[in-house]
Amino acid sequence: DIQMTQSPSTLSASVGDRVTITCRASQSINNWLTWYQQKPGEAPKLLIYKASSLESGVPSRFSGSGSGTEFTLTITGLQPDDFATYYCQQYNEFPLTFGGGTKVEIK
Amino acid sequence: EVQLVDSGGGLVQPGGSLRLSCAASGFTFSRSMMAWVRQAPGKGLEWVSSISESGGTRYHADSVKGRFAISRDNSENTLYLQMDGLRAEDTAIYYCAKTEARFRTFDFWGQGTLVTVSS
Repeated sequence: DIQMTQSPSTLSASVGDRVTITCRASQSINNWLTWYQQKPGEAPKLLIYKASSLESGVPSRFSGSGSGTEFTLTITGLQPDDFATYYCQQYNEFPLTFGGGTKVEIK
Repeated sequence: EVQLVDSGGGLVQPGGSLRLSCAASGFTFSRSMMAWVRQAPGKGLEWVSSISESGGTRYHADSVKGRFAISRDNSENTLYLQMDGLRAEDTAIYYCAKTEARFRTFDFWGQGTLVTVSS
């Protein structure tokens, strides 16, 4: 099974900050990497697919990059609505696996 | 507008059974792979099962293999998850999710239904 390791698990930041979350896969996943945002009591929401493609309607302050086994999600200019938990997920092969999540908290 | 409405959750004793449903609308259900993803209280996301467009191919996580079965009724635009032999560790919110096959991603999610396994 492909293991997905996210870091950090918690991140404290202020409005306006640039935030970077890292996701590492235990083997190459051919860029089949998705990022989701989840707020308390809500279902996850798709942000970025195929490592770097922005989902329609998602603000451009979100961006994804990386290839092979290392990927990043960057939020440039953190907004109050962005305080949430972020998950990466690989869809290169079954079983599908998620990272453990990164909670972005208000500093 | 794509809508996925999850239902069927509840309180069940260990060893019991439940069947979850996901009613889909707003897209061509029979042309979409579908999946179930769960989230234990205070924990992260865990993929459970996926099913092909026709229902002919099914995948299950090792943690539920032999106990859970995913299925679909394309005439009713409904996804199912039959859960047997439930354990305390199956306690979670269960979400159905539509798969965007070209980009291999879950592009729409249901609101979730809570399954609690406890005596």
